[in-house]
Amino acid sequence: DGGITQSPKYLFRKEGQNVTLSCEQNLNHDAMYWYRQDPGQGLRLIYYSQIVNDFQKGDIAEGYSVSREKKESFPLTVTSAQKNPTAFYLCASREAGGQSSYNEQFFGPGTRLTVL
Amino acid sequence: AQSVTQPDIHITVSEGASLELRCNYSYGATPYLFWYVQSPGQGLQLLLKYFSGDTLVQGIKGFEAEFKRSQSSFNLRKPSVHWSDAAEYFCAVESSNDYKLSFGAGTTVTVRA
Repeated sequence: DGGITQSPKYLFRKEGQNVTLSCEQNLNHDAMYWYRQDPGQGLRLIYYSQIVNDFQKGDIAEGYSVSREKKESFPLTVTSAQKNPTAFYLCASREAGGQSSYNEQFFGPGTRLTVL
Repeated sequence: AQSVTQPDIHITVSEGASLELRCNYSYGATPYLFWYVQSPGQGLQLLLKYFSGDTLVQGIKGFEAEFKRSQSSFNLRKPSVHWSDAAEYFCAVESSNDYKLSFGAGTTVTVRA
C-alpha cells in the first residue's frame, strides 16, 4: 500500500533539546510538506520541498529545520529555538507538475510532540 | 496571498439531519479548492476537490460541495449525517504559483443521537 508514514506517533521532549520527526512516503511524490496544527488555528506551513536537495520556508519556519536528501524522506527537526513546540505535526506529499485534477496533498497520520 | 475563512467553529447536528459547512476564500486567480476531514488524533483525508468545470462537486462519504465564484464560497453539504461524520473539517485553497495550501481554521462537527 502506498502512503505516508510518520514516526513516532507520540514524542516527549525536555526543554532545550532538539528532536527530529520522521516522514517517509512511497508514493513517488516530488513535493513534501510539514505543517503544524494547534487547536483553533487550522494547519500552518512550516517548510516544503518541491524536489530533492531543495526546500523553502513556509509561514512559521523559525525554530525548525529540514533536510531533503532522498525523494522519499523529509525529516523535520524541532530545535531548542522554537519557543512553543508542543503541537501536532503533519507531513504531506504531492505529485509535482502543476495543478490538475490529479494533484492533491496526501497526509500522514501525524506526530504529537509534547515538551515537558 | 490567498486565505480561507470558515465562519463556524463548531456545529452540532442530529443524526439523519442535513449538514452544511461554510467556506469563503480569497484568491486573485481561479481557485483550486479542497475539503479535508480529520478524526481526532489522525491525519487529514481528502473529501473532494474543485479544479474546473462543473461547480457542483461530488466527494466520498456522500459529501458534495458547490463552488460559487460570485460569492467566493465553496460550501460543503451532506443530506443525511451519520454518527461517524463527527470530525473536524477543513477547507483549503491552493496557490497556482507554488502549489501551497492555505487552510481555514476548521469546523468541528458533533453528531447527536
